Amino acid sequence: AQKITQTQPGMFVQEKEAVTLDCTYDTSDQSYGLFWYKQPSSGEMIFLIYQGSYDEQNATEGRYSLNFQKARKSANLVISASQLGDSAMYFCAMILGGSSGSARQLTFGSGTQLTVLP
Amino acid sequence: DSGVTQTPKHLITATGQRVTLRCSPRSGDLSVYWYQQSLDQGLQFLIHYYNGEERAKGNILERFSAQQFPDLHSELNLSSLELGDSALYFCASSGRDSGRYTDTQYFGPGTRLTVL
Repeated sequence: AQKITQTQPGMFVQEKEAVTLDCTYDTSDQSYGLFWYKQPSSGEMIFLIYQGSYDEQNATEGRYSLNFQKARKSANLVISASQLGDSAMYFCAMILGGSSGSARQLTFGSGTQLTVLP
Repeated sequence: DSGVTQTPKHLITATGQRVTLRCSPRSGDLSVYWYQQSLDQGLQFLIHYYNGEERAKGNILERFSAQQFPDLHSELNLSSLELGDSALYFCASSGRDSGRYTDTQYFGPGTRLTVL
């Protein structure tokens, strides 16, 4: 069974600084996808970034980048130039490979609460 | 806005009651997923439907059931409610982005269920 570990329950970062949120995963499958979601205090789950296990380049989406180290089974989220609005809970998640229509589910880590300080 | 809608936003009910949570996926998405988020259990997968058929079951209690209708909306039915069922229930959908199949699941705003 797959597992996601986020070891940082809480993180603080100064506005405009960069921050790295850690995520390690465990699976014996070769085909999988890794995601980061943001959950502000309002409760919604916002998709941020995706990395496929066969993607050779690290994924980037604006100020978000995913530092994917396959051999170490890590998929850390890097947020550059932090903003006050980045304060939220961040979840790392994994999906195993499969085709459209096959059984798919996300396995989530326990989350990291990020607080951006002015 | 993810394009996934859920109703109601909040639900307060008593133990022993039954409730129905409703989800409309993004336009064109065939897959609908239900997740439960509670303080003690974190985010847990409940069930996955694809084009009306059940594809996978996670930690879903026997008191809970779901279905996906021909118009692709889905309902999650929770019965004989207990205090421990209080949680945030998310629906998510996936399908295609710009014509390409994607694994990305887009979440609705959630239904916050409080059982008193």
